[in-house]
Amino acid sequence: TQLLEQSPQFLSIQEGENLTVYCNSSSVFSSLQWYRQEPGEGPVLLVTVVTGGEVKKLKRLTFQFGDARKDSSLHITAAQTGDTGLYLCAGAEAGTALIFGKGTTLSVSS
Amino acid sequence: ETGVTQTPRHLVMGMTNKKSLKCEQHLGHNAMYWYKQSAKKPLELMFVYNFKEQTENNSVPSRFSPECPNSSHLFLHLHTLQPEDSALYLCASSQAASVFSYEQYFGPGTRLTVT
Repeated sequence: TQLLEQSPQFLSIQEGENLTVYCNSSSVFSSLQWYRQEPGEGPVLLVTVVTGGEVKKLKRLTFQFGDARKDSSLHITAAQTGDTGLYLCAGAEAGTALIFGKGTTLSVSS
Repeated sequence: ETGVTQTPRHLVMGMTNKKSLKCEQHLGHNAMYWYKQSAKKPLELMFVYNFKEQTENNSVPSRFSPECPNSSHLFLHLHTLQPEDSALYLCASSQAASVFSYEQYFGPGTRLTVT
């Protein structure tokens, strides 16, 4: 059974701090997606990484896919209160459904 | 309307009631999904429809019955639910489900409480 472990489970920081959250698996994925979910809403896709070692930037968010395509990280620079939410990673393998992690709940306070 | 919409947003029902959740996507996608999101658990895929054909049923109890009349609409019919079925039910769509790596677009969810 493929599993995606996300860490930390909870993270509470002040505005302006940097943070990194992780998504790890023992399985290889063809691609990995990151979503952010705000309270009372559905997840919103942030990025898809496909190539091992790939780095993608979305404003203050930096996503990296591990060389072996088994893990990924999300780094946020100078966090803002608007970054608060549940961050989910989801691994994709052709012919199977997306596998979601449990998520990291991020709280950024001013 | 744009994106994926779901109604109702909140639903409280007794164990003997029958209700339906509705999902509509305005993205021109061909695949639609139902997920269950419970506290402290990963998103659980329940059903997948690809070009209106059900292609996945992840051992979901028969008290949940999906219906996909066309590529834009998806329903989840509920009857004789249990309290443990209380959760956020999310609908999603994607370009197609033949390759599951297609990015999924989620609706806001229906918060279901079974009393």
